[in-house]
Amino acid sequence: KNEVEQSPQNLTAQEGEFITINCSYSVGISALHWLQQHPGGGIVSLFMLSSGKKKHGRLIATINIQEKHSSLHITASHPRDSAVYICAVTVMDSNYQLIWGAGTKLIIKP
Amino acid sequence: SQTIHQWPATLVQPVGSPLSLECTVEGTSNPNLYWYRQAAGRGLQLLFYSVGIGQISSEVPQNLSASRPQDRQFILSSKKLLLSDSGFYLCAWGDGSYEQYFGPGTRLTVT
Repeated sequence: KNEVEQSPQNLTAQEGEFITINCSYSVGISALHWLQQHPGGGIVSLFMLSSGKKKHGRLIATINIQEKHSSLHITASHPRDSAVYICAVTVMDSNYQLIWGAGTKLIIKP
Repeated sequence: SQTIHQWPATLVQPVGSPLSLECTVEGTSNPNLYWYRQAAGRGLQLLFYSVGIGQISSEVPQNLSASRPQDRQFILSSKKLLLSDSGFYLCAWGDGSYEQYFGPGTRLTVT
């Protein structure tokens, strides 16, 4: 079993829909990251969370430390949001090593 | 501001050939440096990390090696590439906080 699990693996939605991507982890963490990877491969960091909730534009990330679960939400989704969204955790007491989820491939259709 | 460079951006190499991927960081000193690999259809996997010059920790035993000859230079190498080495290689640096900053990546195809 992977230490970081994401769901769904693939998600196709219509423009304007509310999107939720989930991440569960089984290790002790110092922080959780949500990242975005576009088809060219480059990775952009969206959020880093250690508790609560963060919002940036149409993106919202939440984390529940007790339940070891995080969600990434996209409101009013747009075709340009199409990308792979990756959850990664910084393992507690490590040299800030990240363990990565497999990613969620999101396609937003116009 | 800090910048991270990786090259080359894409690389096609035959099986059995050597490999050298380079990563350099500007605008910071004594960073933690990381090499990750993403195989086709899979998540990113930590290969090596370094907390200082000449200090390399390997996470996954394989035919790859890493070196840190200078404070802000991290090199990923292989003497003989395998087909299974194909993938997307990502270098990252961290400043001792939980944040990591990623390079543009190198897409390696071994033929």
